[in-house]
Amino acid sequence: SQTIHQWPATLVQPVGSPLSLECTVEGTSNPNLYWYRQAAGRGLQLLFYSVGIGQISSEVPQNLSASRPQDRQFILSSKKLLLSDSGFYLCAWRFDSSYNSPLHFGNGTRLTVT
Amino acid sequence: GQSLEQPSEVTAVEGAIVQINCTYQTSGFYGLSWYQQHDGGAPTFLSYNGLDGLEETGRFSSFLSRSDSYGYLLLQELQMKDSASYFCAVRDSNYQLIWGAGTKLIIKP
Repeated sequence: SQTIHQWPATLVQPVGSPLSLECTVEGTSNPNLYWYRQAAGRGLQLLFYSVGIGQISSEVPQNLSASRPQDRQFILSSKKLLLSDSGFYLCAWRFDSSYNSPLHFGNGTRLTVT
Repeated sequence: GQSLEQPSEVTAVEGAIVQINCTYQTSGFYGLSWYQQHDGGAPTFLSYNGLDGLEETGRFSSFLSRSDSYGYLLLQELQMKDSASYFCAVRDSNYQLIWGAGTKLIIKP
């Protein structure tokens, strides 16, 4: 079976500090990988997605970046955090790009920028 | 612009039936999905409708009418553990999911 690991679970960072969130998937090969952000009481906003190693698509211009150094590893980064970067960050994977392929989410990282 | 509309909150009684509606306006349509999210947790997939009609999975059913740009999630025999937020999401012409803001389901004993 497939599992997704995301860490850390919570993070408090000062404004201007760097960020690195990591996500790994086990039990499948070449998954589609996603980073979402969720503001309190809101829906999910797609930040980045990747359909293969080294392939990153950005949906929202911001001070965040993503990388996929290995097939099942997805990293979200920032050089300098802003207060507006606070939120609940969710990594997700799915088998492929077919319409009905569901997303499987990690447990999320709750980021507070102070 | 693209938008999905769903009620912000619905209240129901344990054992009852509740329907959560979702209307959408998107550029392209490749299916309507529903996800459940408990407080502090990750969303989990419930159902997908690509064609008109009703899909049933246990106590949960989901309906789609593409001509009305409308769908709903029906939860039967409500249990306290069903207290959560429910999100509808539409796959658009870019093959990405557009999410509604979520409906918080409150269940009273």
